[in-house]
Amino acid sequence: EADIYQTPRYLVIGTGKKITLECSQTMGHDKMYWYQQDPGMELHLIHYSYGVNSTEKGDLSSESTVSRIRTEHFPLTLESARPSHTSQYLCASSDEASGELNEQFFGPGTRLTVL
Amino acid sequence: KNQVEQSPQSLIILEGKNCTLQCNYTVSPFSNLRWYKQDTGRGPVSLTIMTFSENTKSNGRYTATLDADTKQSSLHITASQLSDSASYICVVSDRGSTLGRLYFGRGTQLTVWP
Repeated sequence: EADIYQTPRYLVIGTGKKITLECSQTMGHDKMYWYQQDPGMELHLIHYSYGVNSTEKGDLSSESTVSRIRTEHFPLTLESARPSHTSQYLCASSDEASGELNEQFFGPGTRLTVL
Repeated sequence: KNQVEQSPQSLIILEGKNCTLQCNYTVSPFSNLRWYKQDTGRGPVSLTIMTFSENTKSNGRYTATLDADTKQSSLHITASQLSDSASYICVVSDRGSTLGRLYFGRGTQLTVWP
């Protein structure tokens, strides 16, 4: 079992609310990622980070933002949630030392529902 | 365009039976291919990782094969158990990008009935 944690596991909120999804890993991994996954669909990369103070947007455009102030922590924030943000959000991390294998370890995910 | 296609989309089998899931990809240049198991409401968990030079890898009752020439992979599950019910995702990584970008299939939803 990978040591990567996400909170909350489930979140139901109203439109317009600001939310932060938490992701933490205790493996000391340099790289961290956020994916969005709708039911029956593939994972889409929305943000990634090579290390502290490094953040980049992924393939799928997202209105969310991320920060990487500490190695172990990679929170994702939505300033004003909308129903279109309803989805599962998965956090992952990988070790630079794994090189080309880039084995990513996933957290349990946060299921977000915006009413 | 780099893509990963999986078949079948869903599969129902009886407990104790074997099954084989398929994955075709067009990702180039190829680095490695992995199979993940994703239980409902959970994050994916890695089952196997294969590089270009490997054509088979086993993990307990799971055996993955890779044909890099035809760009095909399969995941064979032997003596299925109820706990095997999950989505099985084929993921291909390309070579050369510093990110080691992953390309995900949509998964095969496997249901094992008693």
